[in-house]
Amino acid sequence: GDSVTQMEGPVTLSEEAFLTINCTYTATGYPSLFWYVQYPGEGLQLLLKATKADDKGSNKGFEATYRKETTSFHLEKGSVQVSDSAVYFCALSDLRAGGTSYGKLTFGQGTILTVHP
Amino acid sequence: KAGVTQTPRYLIKTRGQQVTLSCSPISGHRSVSWYQQTPGQGLQFLFEYFSETQRNKGNFPGRFSGRQFSNSRSEMNVSTLELGDSALYLCASSLDGRAYEQYFGPGTRLTVT
Repeated sequence: GDSVTQMEGPVTLSEEAFLTINCTYTATGYPSLFWYVQYPGEGLQLLLKATKADDKGSNKGFEATYRKETTSFHLEKGSVQVSDSAVYFCALSDLRAGGTSYGKLTFGQGTILTVHP
Repeated sequence: KAGVTQTPRYLIKTRGQQVTLSCSPISGHRSVSWYQQTPGQGLQFLFEYFSETQRNKGNFPGRFSGRQFSNSRSEMNVSTLELGDSALYLCASSLDGRAYEQYFGPGTRLTVT
């Protein structure tokens, strides 16, 4: 079945440092890929998405490129802020898998990011 | 536009009891998905409802059930609660079940003692 693997965390950075969170996936079809962010005490918010190979998703300074050849979707940000401290989840959905994919996101285990001033 | 709302936000129940959680989707959204979030298992898909029909189901025992009403509001029920059911239960809504359009609620924190 489909699966998502994220780099082990937590990740601790100083403000303005460069961020990379690795994400690789296994899917039988042609998945769409996402990064979600969860702030303390809140639900998940969609950060960015990419629906086909070589697409680059971007939002709020974060970027990720859908690499089919390496089955990866790594999250990057050039200069993190304290307000970026949160849990980041990589996820996939394979809508072309038919009924078993309806409304279903498959998530990685999450990476806790802490940014210090 | 109001977001996804979930009630209650916090619940404490005793092992063996049952519980019902509620989710109100964004207006106009017809699909509601439910997820369980735990520190050990992460985020796991429970089921999805669209137009009052369950279209998809994850690998959870039959104690976990749900339904959707004609106004798209959804409820999730867990019977015979076990300690391991303690989790954050998240619901997400979308127009038609296309996952990249899912919008999540804040969750219901269930504690089973």
